[in-house]
Amino acid sequence: AQSVTQPDIHITVSEGASLELRCNYSYGATPYLFWYVQSPGQGLQLLLKYFSGDTLVQGIKGFEAEFKRSQSSFNLRKPSVHWSDAAEYFCAVGGGNFNKFYFGSGTKLNVKP
Amino acid sequence: SQTIHQWPATLVQPVGSPLSLECTVEGTSNPNLYWYRQAAGRGLQLLFYSVGIGQISSEVPQNLSASRPQDRQFILSSKKLLLSDSGFYLCAWSLGQSGNTIYFGEGSWLTVV
Repeated sequence: AQSVTQPDIHITVSEGASLELRCNYSYGATPYLFWYVQSPGQGLQLLLKYFSGDTLVQGIKGFEAEFKRSQSSFNLRKPSVHWSDAAEYFCAVGGGNFNKFYFGSGTKLNVKP
Repeated sequence: SQTIHQWPATLVQPVGSPLSLECTVEGTSNPNLYWYRQAAGRGLQLLFYSVGIGQISSEVPQNLSASRPQDRQFILSSKKLLLSDSGFYLCAWSLGQSGNTIYFGEGSWLTVV
């Protein structure tokens, strides 16, 4: 069955520190992988996506993610976090001629000044 | 460019009352359409998806139903709301072919009292 696991429910980092949000997936075919960000009370905004090719993908707002097939992971990273990055982050998987997208339970990021 | 509109943004309804949330997509044809629910701390749960007019797939048995009366219109309904129907409802769309991304509306807050 398809699933996405985000093992960290809450993460707190200091402003300027590096960030890594973990995502593991289970998918029966070649996965298409996504990271979204959600500010309180709003919809989800796409940060980046991986379909094929270079396993390190760059996204908006200085985020990047690395696809590791052997580990079934797609972790999100940012070298230096800004206070405005405080939000909830969702990892998602879909694939092939897909009609469905599966989301993790989200990781809430707090940024300390 | 494509846009997605979802309304109402906020709704407070008594238990046992009906529900209708509407979603329309502009700027594209024959999109896949989705309804997700986001309960506090539980991530996004796929409720329904549709690949065409009148074609609705339900992911989980529940007190809700969906309809797609027009190509770019998706409606979430209930005849009698339950307290457990409270949550944040997100409409989303994607193109049907492989390798596409899902895009979200701004969401609708439903509180059942």
